Amino acid sequence: KNQVEQSPQSLIILEGKNCTLQCNYTVSPFSNLRWYKQDTGRGPVSLTIMTFSENTKSNGRYTATLDADTKQSSLHITASQLSDSASYICVVSAGYGGATNKLIFGTGTLLAVQP
Amino acid sequence: DTEVTQTPKHLVMGMTNKKSLKCEQHMGHRAMYWYKQKAKKPPELMFVYSYEKLSINESVPSRFSPECPNSSLLNLHLHALQPEDSALYLCASSDPVRASYNEQFFGPGTRLTVL
Repeated sequence: KNQVEQSPQSLIILEGKNCTLQCNYTVSPFSNLRWYKQDTGRGPVSLTIMTFSENTKSNGRYTATLDADTKQSSLHITASQLSDSASYICVVSAGYGGATNKLIFGTGTLLAVQP
Repeated sequence: DTEVTQTPKHLVMGMTNKKSLKCEQHMGHRAMYWYKQKAKKPPELMFVYSYEKLSINESVPSRFSPECPNSSLLNLHLHALQPEDSALYLCASSDPVRASYNEQFFGPGTRLTVL
């Protein structure tokens, strides 16, 4: 069964600190892995996308890593800001490409950044 | 224009009403999606349109009726909904041909409340 698990479920950090979110997946066939940021009541916004051949990808203060052998990914947030407070969702695309690829969503990590 | 727009932002309807949700994109994407998201849960895929044709229906009840009038527009017609259908409805689009990742761009969502 295709599955994406995230940890921790929720996290509280102080402004300016760094944090790392984890994602483990069991998805076949693997196409790519994405990290999305979703503010409450809003649509998800893509942060990074990686295929199996990419180990790391950065987007500003966000850096994602992917280990295709262990089927693990992480999202590292540097120098957190209050605006980083949101749900971070790990999503794995399963399939061979095209619109019929299915997105397998993790349940998300709810991050709260406090002043 | 690199965004997906959705209207209305909020909708309150009774169980006997008929209403429609609208989604629009002008990125030339040929795949469009409807998702349903309950609070603190990941989005659940409902429908996929590829080149204006319905390609995936995830066993959605017939009280939800999708329509794709053209490549830029996607509607979701609602009739005789139940209170448990209250959720955030997300629209997304992607370019399955030109974009290697088939990245999905999400709209801000419509918050639906069924009384």
